[in-house]
Amino acid sequence: DSGVTQTPKHLITATGQRVTLRCSPRSGDLSVYWYQQSLDQGLQFLIQYYNGEERAKGNILERFSAQQFPDLHSELNLSSLELGDSALYFCASSVRTSGPSSYNEQFFGPGTRLTVL
Amino acid sequence: AQTVTQSQPEMSVQEAETVTLSCTYDTSENNYYLFWYKQPPSRQMILVIRQEAYKQQNATENRFSVNFQKAAKSFSLKISDSQLGDTAMYFCAFMKMGGATNKLIFGTGTLLAVQP
Repeated sequence: DSGVTQTPKHLITATGQRVTLRCSPRSGDLSVYWYQQSLDQGLQFLIQYYNGEERAKGNILERFSAQQFPDLHSELNLSSLELGDSALYFCASSVRTSGPSSYNEQFFGPGTRLTVL
Repeated sequence: AQTVTQSQPEMSVQEAETVTLSCTYDTSENNYYLFWYKQPPSRQMILVIRQEAYKQQNATENRFSVNFQKAAKSFSLKISDSQLGDTAMYFCAFMKMGGATNKLIFGTGTLLAVQP
């Protein structure tokens, strides 16, 4: 158990609908990352938030948006869903490790499996 | 932009044998990290091993070790004494050191099957 929680575990919806995926980072982690894993695109970075502010954007569609709240949990909103949006969506949170080779180690949640019918 | 390439979509190894998974990457950065992540059937992403680009010594973690060739931009994973629990998808990943973001860039993965 990484300490990162994601809800729901599974989500089945129809094309054109809107869904919200939720992520709670590990206690004390300020950064949250969203990744999408699909058969077509592989595992790709979508967006990063740090302490409530957007830090970086990857290949995130305009139909998708995210935010990080004051309690540091994050939500990924997917709208006008298409069949191709079916994927496993991961959230990760990070903490800077200590020592001379410190870096931001990312801890992944269990993912939300989205199926668009 | 950085890219990560894993040219072996699937591999198979006998239990107790050794297997090597390949990864190459492309970057103009000098300081970065490389990782191998394991994704078992549960779909959880598990960090296996990490390598700092500025370190010449190859990282090892128990039965897992890497062969890091910075000039060749190659980063292979060796699994010794393979166990049934090693059956999983393995992803090679790149992270730039410093900068505004620490996003991971993943390869397409290698599906490893350990046969009894």
